[in-house]
Order: sequence, then C-alpha cells, then structure tokens
Amino acid sequence: DVKVTQSSRYLVKRTGEKVFLECVQDMDHENMFWYRQDPGLGLRLIYFSYDVKMKEKGDIPEGYSVSREKKERFSLILESASTNQTSMYLCASSLSTGRVEGYTFGSGTRLTVV
Amino acid sequence: TQLLEQSPQFLSIQEGENLTVYCNSSSVFSSLQWYRQEPGEGPVLLVTVVTGGEVKKLKRLTFQFGDARKDSSLHITAAQPGDTGLYLCAGPPGTYKYIFGTGTRLKVLA
Repeated sequence: DVKVTQSSRYLVKRTGEKVFLECVQDMDHENMFWYRQDPGLGLRLIYFSYDVKMKEKGDIPEGYSVSREKKERFSLILESASTNQTSMYLCASSLSTGRVEGYTFGSGTRLTVV
Repeated sequence: TQLLEQSPQFLSIQEGENLTVYCNSSSVFSSLQWYRQEPGEGPVLLVTVVTGGEVKKLKRLTFQFGDARKDSSLHITAAQPGDTGLYLCAGPPGTYKYIFGTGTRLKVLA
C-alpha cells in the first residue's frame, strides 16, 4: 500500500522555537507538497517540490522553509515558531506523468505553538 | 486567481437520505478531483473527472463534471454514517499542484 508518513501526529512547541516537520513517502513520487489546514480557510499550499533539491513557494510561504535532500523525504521548517502557525499540517505526494495526478496525503501533524 | 467554492458548507442528514454537494468556479479546469477527509486523518482521493459532462460512479457516490469544466457535483444516494466526513474538491491551476475548495462537512446521523 502506498504511504505518506508524517513523523508526528501531535506537537506542542514554544514561541520562537525552530520546528521540523518530517514527511516520508515510499512510492517513488517526484512531487511533494506541504499544506496547512485551518477552519474556514481550507487547505493552503505552503511549499512544493517537483524534484530533489528543487522547491517552489506556494501561496503562504512566509515563516517557513523546506528541504528535500532525498526523493522520499520532504521537510518543513518553521524557523521561529509563532502562535499564528498553530495549525494542521498535511504532507502530500504525487506522481509526475505529464498529467496532473491525484495526491496521496499523510495523516497530518497537529501543531500547537504556545 | 482561480477559486473553488463549495456548497453547502455544512450538511447534517439522517441515514438513508440523498444529498448533493457542489463545487463551482469561474475558471475552467482541465480536471477536478474529489477527496474525503475523516477527522484526524489526511484527505483520501475518491475520484478524478477530466472530460466535460463526465459522470463517474463509486458505489453510492455519483460524480459529475460540468460541460464547461467549471463545476462539479457529488451526489450520495442513501447516505450512511460511514459517509460522514469533510468532502473537498480540488483542481489544478498549474502543472504540479492543486487548489482546494473550502469543503463541505457532512454528518450522517444513524
């Protein structure tokens, strides 16, 4: 079974901390994505990557950075966590076939910044 | 900016009832997808529609893509409590990525 695994289901961090959210996929997918999901705002794209070491800003990249050193792993970094980054974070991956393919999502990380 | 608007936002119905959820845009999409998300989990892909007017069925769920490829609907026949969840439509404004609608939260009461 195809899987996207996010390292933590729940995280509580303090304001100002550097936070790493890890995502690993076992499907050899080229594309990987980080979204945040907030009530009333839906899913918003933070960053995505279509190849190793490649990254593109999404709609809300401010306060975040990403790293993709290996094809299967895509990390989201909160350089200095703030309370407005409290959210559900979802990682997804997709195949690159020349058409737009569906996403496979992880189970999400619910991050609380206090 | 391309947007996907879903209606209704919330729906609470009794088991056995039928319902329809809508996904609308002012922009044309090359394809649209529907996902279902259960509490505490990530969204799971249900279907992709790619041709204007296309109808796809998944058991009691019927998905339709509008002729002009600007809208889509999801119809559930004889809803069951297991259908409870957040239903999201999504479309690709570019090559790699999707935008998501704000979702319809469905609750089916036994």
